[in-house]
Order: sequence, then C-alpha cells, then structure tokens
Amino acid sequence: DAGVTQSPTHLIKTRGQQVTLRCSPKSGHDTVSWYQQALGQGPQFIFQYYEEEERQRGNFPDRFSGHQFPNYSSELNVNALLLGDSALYLCASSLGRFSGANVLTFGAGSRLTVL
Amino acid sequence: AQSVTQPDIHITVSEGASLELRCNYSYGATPYLFWYVQSPGQGLQLLLKYFSGDTLVQGIKGFEAEFKRSQSSFNLRKPSVHWSDAAEYFCAVGPLEDGGFKTIFGAGTRLFVKA
Repeated sequence: DAGVTQSPTHLIKTRGQQVTLRCSPKSGHDTVSWYQQALGQGPQFIFQYYEEEERQRGNFPDRFSGHQFPNYSSELNVNALLLGDSALYLCASSLGRFSGANVLTFGAGSRLTVL
Repeated sequence: AQSVTQPDIHITVSEGASLELRCNYSYGATPYLFWYVQSPGQGLQLLLKYFSGDTLVQGIKGFEAEFKRSQSSFNLRKPSVHWSDAAEYFCAVGPLEDGGFKTIFGAGTRLFVKA
C-alpha cells in the first residue's frame, strides 16, 4: 500500500521564479494538506484541499496556491519566489469530511532551496 | 489564539535511560492531541493520538503519553530509550476552536541519544 508520494524530492530555484510541487495521497485518502517546514521549526499549515476545493488556508500570501485533481492528487504552486521560501514542503493526506480528528499521513517532503 | 508549546528545543539522554518530552497546549475545549516523530530527511510519522477516554495512551515503538487536562499537557514518555529513537518529535493539536480543519504543530524537540 503506497503511502504519500511527493515530487520532486529536491529542487533549486532563484528568486522570482515559480515552482510546482506535486503530491499523491495515500490510497483511500481524499484530503490533502500542505505544510511548510523551515529549518529548525515545526510544520506550518499552508492550506487544505477537499473535494477539489481549498477549504482552509493558513497565514500564507497569495503567492502560494494549490489545486486538487479528481484523483485526489494535489499541487502546490509558489510564485515570485523569495529567499525565505526555502524550506521543506510537506504534503499530508487524510480521510473524511471532518479532518480535524483524522490522522495525517505525511510524505517525505520536497526540499526547496531559493538562491 | 490556539497554540502548542514544546519547551525543550533539544534533550540528550543516555541509551537505556527514561525519556519525557513536554508539550503544553492552549485550547478552550478538549483537543485532539498527537505526537509525531521525524527522522532526518523524512516526513512525519504518527507515534500516538488522544481523542477521548483513557488519558494514558500507548503508541508505537514503546512510547506512551498522558493527557492532563488540569495542566493542559500531553507529555510523551518512554521507559528505556534506544539509539534509534534519536529524531525530532512534534506535538500537535487539531481541530481548532474556529471550527477549522487544520492540525497545528509545536516547534519540536530534538532528541539526542548518547551511548
């Protein structure tokens, strides 16, 4: 049973560029959450997708956007990259309409470095 | 505002010694509480969760945690630490009072194990 898969695992961009990160949820899961984890910090909630819609958003600017596809996979897009966007981006999947109590299954993350 | 505090940035214990990692939360009602572990270069893995009922919960890898409502704490314990337990540990809370769906994480405690 495949868990959460993320791609790419590592990437390097320069300031001002755009990046797209991809996530395939665990089989049977329908909800995808994205987190940003800066070095030495805990994961910070970016947004969550359910039924192909963004149903909650954290404290991140509009440069961060996402999408969920009919097969529940998801993309995270970041425009106009800043040095401060360098981080590990984690995708987590879960099941159900009410995801607060549901356990998150995490992927290994995509390490983004902005130069 | 809801928050999760892990007072210890890092802890060092000897192999075979007992371990306690502290977690305090700020939340109006009884939250859903989680402990996750992150090994270097990996995503987060669930150790245990508390939703309701018995306040002492057992998890994987010999870990347990105790929910204490009066102290707003959910400390993680292990009676005998193994070298392979060296990792970063995150306490998390979800859902939140605003009726949202996100899980929020503490800043983490890094565990070092010495031989």
